[in-house]
Amino acid sequence: KAGVTQTPRYLIKTRGQQVTLSCSPISGHRSVSWYQQTPGQGLQFLFEYFSETQRNKGNFPGRFSGRQFSNSRSEMNVSTLELGDSALYLCASSVGSGSGSYNEQFFGPGTRLTVL
Amino acid sequence: SQKIEQNSEALNIQEGKTATLTCNYTNYSPAYLQWYRQDPGRGPVFLLLIRENEKEKRKERLKVTFDTTLKQSLFHITASQPADSATYLCALEGAGSYQLTFGKGTKLSVIP
Repeated sequence: KAGVTQTPRYLIKTRGQQVTLSCSPISGHRSVSWYQQTPGQGLQFLFEYFSETQRNKGNFPGRFSGRQFSNSRSEMNVSTLELGDSALYLCASSVGSGSGSYNEQFFGPGTRLTVL
Repeated sequence: SQKIEQNSEALNIQEGKTATLTCNYTNYSPAYLQWYRQDPGRGPVFLLLIRENEKEKRKERLKVTFDTTLKQSLFHITASQPADSATYLCALEGAGSYQLTFGKGTKLSVIP
């Protein structure tokens, strides 16, 4: 079974631009979560989608948004980029069934975003 | 506010010894606690999940304990090997929250 894939792997943007990152979950997984990872703050939760619905959102400004498609693929968008948005953006998928645990997360390799 | 602390940023241990990593939390009532391993340049990899009503979980050389009274989880790697060198992350999940909150991790180095 193929793992979680993220595109692009590396991205360089300038302040004020916007960016869209893509995530393809493991086949059969319906939940997709996004995280931002920086050396100072560690892994921080951005949002989670299940069957095209956002079930939870982290404490990030409205410039960060996401969506999920009917095939469970997900995209996240960051508008008006700031220098502080430079980070590794990780996508994770899980079975996401409604009962019990959120389930173990299967992470992709991440997209390294650099904002100049 | 919710806070998760992993005992140290870095831990060095001799090969063959048991590594013990600590995860403490405050202002949180997690229903589940997970441990992940992350290697440089890669996404985290799931290791173990333990529920709030479980005291201990084992998987091969790994053992996790969960004490909701102390608000602490301990993660043990027995007979540690250089290949165990990585950053280990604990993550908490509230019931029905659909969110994992991660600690900043402990970088483990196993010295031959």
